[in-house]
Amino acid sequence: AQSVSQHNHHVILSEAASLELGCNYSYGGTVNLFWYVQYPGQHLQLLLKYFSGDPLVKGIKGFEAEFIKSKFSFNLRKPSVQWSDTAEYFCASWHRDDKIIFGKGTRLHILP
Amino acid sequence: DAGVIQSPRHEVTEMGQEVTLRCKPISGHNSLFWYRQTMMRGLELLIYFNNNVPIDDSGMPEDRFSAKMPNASFSTLKIQPSEPRDSAVYFCASSYPGQANEQFFGPGTRLTVL
Repeated sequence: AQSVSQHNHHVILSEAASLELGCNYSYGGTVNLFWYVQYPGQHLQLLLKYFSGDPLVKGIKGFEAEFIKSKFSFNLRKPSVQWSDTAEYFCASWHRDDKIIFGKGTRLHILP
Repeated sequence: DAGVIQSPRHEVTEMGQEVTLRCKPISGHNSLFWYRQTMMRGLELLIYFNNNVPIDDSGMPEDRFSAKMPNASFSTLKIQPSEPRDSAVYFCASSYPGQANEQFFGPGTRLTVL
């Protein structure tokens, strides 16, 4: 069965720091990848997704993620974080023959 | 559109009681998903429907859990009898057909079983 690993469970950064959250998936074939965000007290919403084409995907609020097939990775990045980026971030993968799988999430805390 | 609507937002019950969680998907969305979120296991897909038909219920933990979608605008997740280990936040999400599309999540129901 496929799996999604988010190695950083809790990340604390200062404002303006650069961010990279790790995500590794296990499926070796064609896969669709997602990053969702859950702001405090709110529901999950999509940040960005990769289906095919350019491996560098741009999302909302200045986030981007890079699909590296050889590393089975889809890391989320942002050059300069803001206090409002404090949230929990979920990576997810899906392929045609299975159901969508979410990682356990990374809690990001930005210090003002 | 009001988004995905879930009720109740909070539920506290005693072990052995029946619990029913409700979800109204976004109008026009043909796929509906039920998730459970816990600290230990993260976000788990329990079941999903396409056009009101259950497609994959392999994530349903055991027979105490059941889900129905009698029409395109309503779904229920029922736990009978409930146990303390069922305490979690249960999310409903909807999307256009299939899991490859963006899912729109509801606010969740926080269930506490005493």
